[in-house]
Amino acid sequence: KAGVTQTPRYLIKTRGQQVTLSCSPISGHRSVSWYQQTPGQGLQFLFEYFSETQRNKGNFPGRFSGRQFSNSRSEMNVSTLELGDSALYLCASSLGATDGATLHFGNGTRLTVT
Amino acid sequence: AQSVTQLDSQVPVFEEAPVELRCNYSSSVSVYLFWYVQYPNQGLQLLLKYLSGSTLVESINGFEAEFNKSQTSFHLRKPSVHISDTAEYFCAVTDGGSQGNLIFGKGTKLSVKP
Repeated sequence: KAGVTQTPRYLIKTRGQQVTLSCSPISGHRSVSWYQQTPGQGLQFLFEYFSETQRNKGNFPGRFSGRQFSNSRSEMNVSTLELGDSALYLCASSLGATDGATLHFGNGTRLTVT
Repeated sequence: AQSVTQLDSQVPVFEEAPVELRCNYSSSVSVYLFWYVQYPNQGLQLLLKYLSGSTLVESINGFEAEFNKSQTSFHLRKPSVHISDTAEYFCAVTDGGSQGNLIFGKGTKLSVKP
């Protein structure tokens, strides 16, 4: 089975711009979660989608949004980029049907905001 | 709210020596506990997890962790490490109502020296 695929791997944007990151989950997985990883804050949960519905949301400003499509693929959008948004953004998929389901992570998209 | 503390940010150790990476979590009625490993420029991979049952859980590559409810700990151990174990290790916790929302510790960088 193919793993979780995130595109693009690297992205450089300017302050004030917006960006869209893409995530293709493992086939059959209906849950997709997004995390931000930075050296200072570590791994922080952004949001989780299950069957096209946002099921859970972390403590991030409204500039961060996401969506999930009927084929379970997910996109994350960040508007009005700030320097502090520079981070590795990780997507993870799981079957999502049971508590404690294993998250399978992609290799991430490294976003640099200049 | 749940929180996770990884007591050591860096652990240097010689090859074939034993290692323990410490993890403590804030108390909750019931929790699910995980250890993930991250190699450079990659996403996270599940090492092992505790959901219920036996308090000692093992991974396929020789790591083990013990769930200690009274001490709210889930320390990771390996009796003999290899160079290839060099990576960053993350402890994570979730309760039953937070599918996809893992609370991660800040990580421990394990450096295995020859």
